[in-house]
Amino acid sequence: EDQVTQSPEALRLQEGESSSLNCSYTVSGLRGLFWYRQDPGKGPEFLFTLYSAGEEKEKERLKATLTKKESFLHITAPKPEDSATYLCAVRGSQGNLIFGKGTKLSVKP
Amino acid sequence: SAVISQKPSRDICQRGTSLTIQCQVDSQVTMMFWYRQQPGQSLTLIATANQGSEATYESGFVIDKFPISRPNLTFSTLTVSNMSPEDSSIYLCSVERASEQFFGPGTRLTVL
Repeated sequence: EDQVTQSPEALRLQEGESSSLNCSYTVSGLRGLFWYRQDPGKGPEFLFTLYSAGEEKEKERLKATLTKKESFLHITAPKPEDSATYLCAVRGSQGNLIFGKGTKLSVKP
Repeated sequence: SAVISQKPSRDICQRGTSLTIQCQVDSQVTMMFWYRQQPGQSLTLIATANQGSEATYESGFVIDKFPISRPNLTFSTLTVSNMSPEDSSIYLCSVERASEQFFGPGTRLTVL
C-alpha cells in the first residue's frame, strides 16, 4: 500500500536556525514526489516536484532532495515568514497523489 | 501554474442540509479533483471529475453523498449532501497541469 510519513509533526526554530523536514514514502512505481506549503486558511501552494533519486531542487531558502526511500526539505536560515505547514505527497502507479499529514513549522524572530 | 477559485470560502450549515461548492479554473483542464482535509489529517482524494463523464470516486466516498458536476472544462461543483458534523472539513478543488498539481484556496465547512 502506498504510504507517506512526515516527521516531525511540528518543528519550532529560531530565525536563522537551519533544519530539515523528512518525508518517508512507500510507493509502487514512483511518478513524482511533491512538496507543498500551506498557510492557515489557504490551499496548498506548490513548491517542488522531484522524479528520481539524487535529484535536488532549490527555491530561495528551501532545498528539496530525494532518495529511493525519502525526501528532505532543507530550510536554510529560516525567517518568520517561512512559518507554515509543509506537505509532502507522492504519485504512484495508480496516478493519484498520496499525502502525508504535514510538518507544522514555526520560526520565531 | 493555475489560478483556481472556490465559492464559498467558508460556511456554517445545519445537520441534514446540503451545500454545493463551486470551483473555477483560469483555463481548460481535462481532469479536476476534489479533496477533503480534516483537522490533523492528510489531504484525501474524494473523486476525479472529467468533463462529459461521471466522476470517479475513491474508496469510502459515494456519489449519493458527494455528487459532482463537470459541465465544462473550467468548472466543477461538489455537493456535500445530508450533512453531519463529521463532514466538517476543508474541501479543496485541484487541477493538474504539466504533471504538477495545483490547489484552490479551499472551502471551510462547519456542520452544527
